[in-house]
Amino acid sequence: QVQLQQSGLRLVKPSQTLSLTCAISGDSVSSQGAAWTWIRQSPSGGLEWLGRTFYRSEWHYEYAESVKTRITINPDTSNNRFSLQLNSVTPEDTAVYYCARGVSATASFDYWGQGTLVTVSS
Amino acid sequence: QSALTQPASVSGSPGQSITISCTGSSSDVGNYNRVSWYQHHPGEAPRLVIYEDNKRPSGVSNRFSGSKSGNTASLTISGLQDEDESDYHCCSYAGSRTFVFGSGTRVTV
Repeated sequence: QVQLQQSGLRLVKPSQTLSLTCAISGDSVSSQGAAWTWIRQSPSGGLEWLGRTFYRSEWHYEYAESVKTRITINPDTSNNRFSLQLNSVTPEDTAVYYCARGVSATASFDYWGQGTLVTVSS
Repeated sequence: QSALTQPASVSGSPGQSITISCTGSSSDVGNYNRVSWYQHHPGEAPRLVIYEDNKRPSGVSNRFSGSKSGNTASLTISGLQDEDESDYHCCSYAGSRTFVFGSGTRVTV
């Protein structure tokens, strides 16, 4: 059974960097066929795909246009986890952030973390 | 990339069937057989209930079914039960290695 455990700061000041980590158990961050993904849910309720990283002989990184100038998703093979960094945050980045395992073959997300509410406020 | 359009809310009585629509475009829903649906109880992790338009993961009740016509995908819940009361989100692969989600639908039983 795959489990994803999120951690990170829940309060970030405007213009600073949001940082979250997702620890993986039951699978490997280097697993072929998986894509390690970050998704967020704004207070208005809709989900937004932010980006993913995956390993296919080399590491790949794909990001949503809306955040691609500010986002970095990195794998950590030593600790079997992956991280999210979002720079220059504003109050509009306040959201519940989820990590998830994407299944590349089906373009779906079969395991999710518990979610972390991150508030951007001074 | 614009969010997929879902009704804000749908309601039904126990035992009834309800259908939630998810409208996109020929760039996403209509172009790929890659629509998935998620059940999301507030405060919990979302749960995958349909993938590839109409396939059910192991362990998901056969009361959940998916379909698609053109640029609109649909999730039907038959034999509605109290435990089905939740938020439901659709998602589609949108090409260019990106994904788009719907606006979410609150189902009330």
